[in-house]
Amino acid sequence: EVLLVESGGGLVQPGGSLRLSCEASGFTFNAYAMNWVRQAPGKGLEWVSYISSTGNTIYYADSVKGRFTVSRDNGNNSVSLQMESLRDEDTAIYYCAREAKDSGGWYGWFDPWGRGALVTVSS
Amino acid sequence: DIQMTQSPSTLSASVGDRVTITCRASETIGDWLAWYQQKPRNAPRILIYKASTLESGVPSTFSGSVSGTEFTLTITNLQPDDSATYYCLQYNTYPYTFGQGTNLEIK
Repeated sequence: EVLLVESGGGLVQPGGSLRLSCEASGFTFNAYAMNWVRQAPGKGLEWVSYISSTGNTIYYADSVKGRFTVSRDNGNNSVSLQMESLRDEDTAIYYCAREAKDSGGWYGWFDPWGRGALVTVSS
Repeated sequence: DIQMTQSPSTLSASVGDRVTITCRASETIGDWLAWYQQKPRNAPRILIYKASTLESGVPSTFSGSVSGTEFTLTITNLQPDDSATYYCLQYNTYPYTFGQGTNLEIK
């Protein structure tokens, strides 16, 4: 079974830091790009970051660029999101999501997703 | 960035009805669009990718289509279990962007 499990969420003060991790199992981790997507309470989905299968290509949403850093450890089947200078508006559930591929060679959408980790930025 | 304009934001329909949800892209994205279903306290679930390809295990009451930059998710024979929020996702170009969501209520 393909499984993604996030950890590291919690309560942090504005300006603080937090590191999220996502452990993957059930698939060949180093063959897949990974993404982080977040959802503020009662709001829609927002893509946050992408990291390629090798880690050589990385993208960020403008809203987190310069504050968040994504990385991966293919030896340990994990991807991380280091979050610095956190703001109230970063409060959200953060989902780890695999870039999907199908048997026809198409790829790009997100599937599966983890259950998410709640990050609350508040004083 | 590519903007995805999703409509309607809320929708109320009855069991057995047919409903459509639309996403319009601000520029051409080919057929690089996916549809997701999200229920409260759950992660999104993939329904359709590449505009019209049904994900394995998803009921055939769900279908997707595209005309230019307008994408449509159609749900036929609505069931109580279809009550959820639906999102489109364009994955043509980073930053990937989602529609604002459609909250579907079954009367």
